[in-house]
Amino acid sequence: KAGVTQTPRYLIKTRGQQVTLSCSPISGHRSVSWYQQTPGQGLQFLFEYFSETQRNKGNFPGRFSGRQFSNSRSEMNVSTLELGDSALYLCASSLGQEAQLFFGSGTQLSVL
Amino acid sequence: QKEVEQDPGPLSVPEGAIVSLNCTYSNSAFQYFMWYRQYSRKGPELLMYTYSSGNKEDGRFTAQVDKSSKYISLFIRDSQPSDSATYLCARDNSGGSNYKLTFGKGTLLTVNP
Repeated sequence: KAGVTQTPRYLIKTRGQQVTLSCSPISGHRSVSWYQQTPGQGLQFLFEYFSETQRNKGNFPGRFSGRQFSNSRSEMNVSTLELGDSALYLCASSLGQEAQLFFGSGTQLSVL
Repeated sequence: QKEVEQDPGPLSVPEGAIVSLNCTYSNSAFQYFMWYRQYSRKGPELLMYTYSSGNKEDGRFTAQVDKSSKYISLFIRDSQPSDSATYLCARDNSGGSNYKLTFGKGTLLTVNP
C-alpha cells in the first residue's frame, strides 16, 4: 500500500511569491492534516481536512490556506511568502479523527 | 510555557547503551501521549502510544507516563545504530482526537557503533 505522497520534495521561492504544495493520502484515508516543521518552533499544526471540509485550524495567518478534493487529495497554499516561511511542510493522513496519523516525507520550502 | 517541553539534546551514546528521552507537559488534563521517530529527510512515524499513566513496552522500547510529575519518558534498551533519529514526544487533546497533535521540539539521538 502506497504511503502518503507529497510533491514537490524541494522548492525554492523568493519573498512575495506564492506556493502550492500537494499531498496524496493513503488510499482510503479521508482525513488530511498539515504541519510546519522548523528548527526553532518544531512541528506546528496548520489545519486538518475531512471530506473536503476544514475541521480544524492552527494559529497561522490567513496567508496559509488549504483545500481537499473529493478524492481526499489535499493542497496547501502560502501567499506572499516571507523568509520565515522557510520550513519543512508535512502532510499526514488518517482514517478518521481518532486513528493513527501517517506522515509523508514533506516538502522542504526555502524562501530567499 | 509551551505545552510540551522536550530535552533538546543532541544525545550521543555507544551501541548497546540504554537511552532515556524525556518530556514534560503543562496541562494535567492531557491523557494521550505519543512518541514519534523521525529519520533524516523523512516524516515522523508513530513509535509508541500511551493513555493516561503507567508503562507500555514494545520490544526494546518502553514508554512511561508519570501524571503526578507531568513527565513522559521513552527508554530504548540495547540501542542500535539504526535507532539514530530525532525522537518527538506529542500529546493530543483529552478527547483522543489526533487532528491537532502538540509536539515537543525533538531530541536528536545518535547511536555510535
